[in-house]
Amino acid sequence: AQSVAQPEDQVNVAEGNPLTVKCTYSVSGNPYLFWYVQYPNRGLQFLLKYITGDNLVKGSYGFEAEFNKSQTSFHLKKPSALVSDSALYFCAVSQWGNTPLVFGKGTRLSVIA
Amino acid sequence: NAGVTQTPKFQVLKTGQSMTLQCAQDMNHEYMSWYRQDPGMGLRLIHYSVGAGITDQGEVPNGYNVSRSTTEDFPLRLLSAAPSQTSVYFCASWSGRDLYNEQFFGPGTRLTVL
Repeated sequence: AQSVAQPEDQVNVAEGNPLTVKCTYSVSGNPYLFWYVQYPNRGLQFLLKYITGDNLVKGSYGFEAEFNKSQTSFHLKKPSALVSDSALYFCAVSQWGNTPLVFGKGTRLSVIA
Repeated sequence: NAGVTQTPKFQVLKTGQSMTLQCAQDMNHEYMSWYRQDPGMGLRLIHYSVGAGITDQGEVPNGYNVSRSTTEDFPLRLLSAAPSQTSVYFCASWSGRDLYNEQFFGPGTRLTVL
């Protein structure tokens, strides 16, 4: 069975500082990993995905994520946080690449001016 | 393209009532799914479909029915609503023509069961 863990319910960071939102996964076979963001009272928006290749994946709004196979992690990063980045972030995995996503519980990011 | 649309945006039901949450997509995606979002629990898969006439259960299917008669529509039916079904419901669709495609989500339906 596949699963995703987001160990932090809440992450607080000052505007302009780098941010990291953590994600670890468990899946048999190759992992296909995704990050989504949810703003208040909105649906989920796709940020980026890892399929294969470079371990550093670049996505929307200046976000990137680092895939680490040995640590089974896929942490979301941004070099300089903005107040507008404050939202709920979800990590997700698809076992075969076209199956429904399995989501983590989400991490609420708060960027403080 | 409108993408994935959901109606209604909000709904209040009494215990035992039935209703259908509507989901439609105009991207000609083969795959569609329904999730529910509860605080502290992330999104959990209810049902999904890999094409017209084909559906399967997800993690939390009890109390919900689905059917897929067209590529565009994937309604979710609550036959007898219970307070435990109070949640925010999201529909998603994605293309099966290429692997590893991102899934597109609708804006959600916020359901309260009294």
